[in-house]
Amino acid sequence: NAGVTQTPKFQVLKTGQSMTLQCAQDMNHEYMSWYRQDPGMGLRLIHYSVGAGITDQGEVPNGYNVSRSTTEDFPLRLLSAAPSQTSVYFCASSRGTSGRDEQFFGPGTRLTVL
Amino acid sequence: QKEVEQDPGPLSVPEGAIVSLNCTYSNSAFQYFMWYRQYSRKGPELLMYTYSSGNKEDGRFTAQVDKSSKYISLFIRDSQPSDSATYLCAMSAPGKTGANNLFFGTGTRLTVIP
Repeated sequence: NAGVTQTPKFQVLKTGQSMTLQCAQDMNHEYMSWYRQDPGMGLRLIHYSVGAGITDQGEVPNGYNVSRSTTEDFPLRLLSAAPSQTSVYFCASSRGTSGRDEQFFGPGTRLTVL
Repeated sequence: QKEVEQDPGPLSVPEGAIVSLNCTYSNSAFQYFMWYRQYSRKGPELLMYTYSSGNKEDGRFTAQVDKSSKYISLFIRDSQPSDSATYLCAMSAPGKTGANNLFFGTGTRLTVIP
């Protein structure tokens, strides 16, 4: 049971490039989400999904796309990278969508946009 | 104004001290209140959660919620060097899809000195 895995661990992009951050979980969790963590801002929700085929925007969705074709995978796409997207990105999953369902976090992807 | 406010610290205490960490919030819709611990360069992990006003104890950790004042606290007794980490408060409220999304404080960095 690997839990929540994220790839890559580190990435450097140039402004305007696109890329996909991968997230996978092997716990058959219904809810998956993406956060970014910036100094002085804490963790902010980008997008989330309550099941395969169902996604919705979080607090800071602009510049990011998501899709959920399977229960296990929830990739985050940066369409045209900007320096403001330099951050640490965390994927999380939980069994259900209740507030009492513990969210399990991945190890994070450190992204730098030059 | 952020919905969840947390003093970023840093906080430095001697081993064995009692630590008090606090957050305030403005959204009355928050239903569940959580504390996450995050070690350097790792993903957050859930420490404790509470649903109603009152205290909840787990070993050396006590979580306290005062909904009337919109104030939550985490107390750590007999602090240990292994408690050195960033502590994030988080709160959940239902989003458009009914799923409970998390709103985080900025985190307080704690160092326990041997």
